[in-house]
Amino acid sequence: ELKVEQNPLFLSMQEGKNYTIYCNYSTTSDRLYWYRQDPGKSLESLFVLLSNGAVKQEGRLMASLDTKARLSTLHITAAVHDLSATYFCAVALLINTPLVFGKGTRLSVIA
Amino acid sequence: GAVVSQHPSWVICKSGTSVKIECRSLDFQATTMFWYRQFPKQSLMLMATSNEGSKATYEQGVEKDKFLINHASLTLSTLTVTSAHPEDSSFYICSARAGLAYGYEQYFGPGTRLTVT
Repeated sequence: ELKVEQNPLFLSMQEGKNYTIYCNYSTTSDRLYWYRQDPGKSLESLFVLLSNGAVKQEGRLMASLDTKARLSTLHITAAVHDLSATYFCAVALLINTPLVFGKGTRLSVIA
Repeated sequence: GAVVSQHPSWVICKSGTSVKIECRSLDFQATTMFWYRQFPKQSLMLMATSNEGSKATYEQGVEKDKFLINHASLTLSTLTVTSAHPEDSSFYICSARAGLAYGYEQYFGPGTRLTVT
């Protein structure tokens, strides 16, 4: 059974600081996703990581994947208030299987 | 890009009644759609996998007689919550898996918030 663990589950950051969210998964998988969810909203796709060593960046967010360690990181650089949201990683065993989600990291960026 | 819609976006119903939620892929065909449920401040939990033209596959612990799924066409799947109770109040999100042209990616709908009174 595929399990996905995220940490931390809660994160309070000061504006301007850097931090990393970690996502571990239990079995070899085909691809890993990062999503953002704002309160009352559905998921917004941030990144899809397909191969070992993949690194993607968008604005202040950068995601990486180490398939050997079964670990993905989401790095936040110089946090701003607008980044406050819940971030989920999700993993698919195979391309045609449903996503398994981590518990999410609730990020709060404070002044 | 691929778009998935859900209708309604929110619904309030009385205990004991049934509610139907629609999930549509607007600009692509989806042989497979997934239904997730999300309780407040929790993660998304897969309820069932819906395949066009066949019976849905339910996850362990999800009552198939209570959550009826119909995937009658390549662009529409419906979830009917029968005899709803307050504990069924939740945020229901569907996703649709696109084909080769979209890299077989899953696209999520905007969600339906169900409140049972």
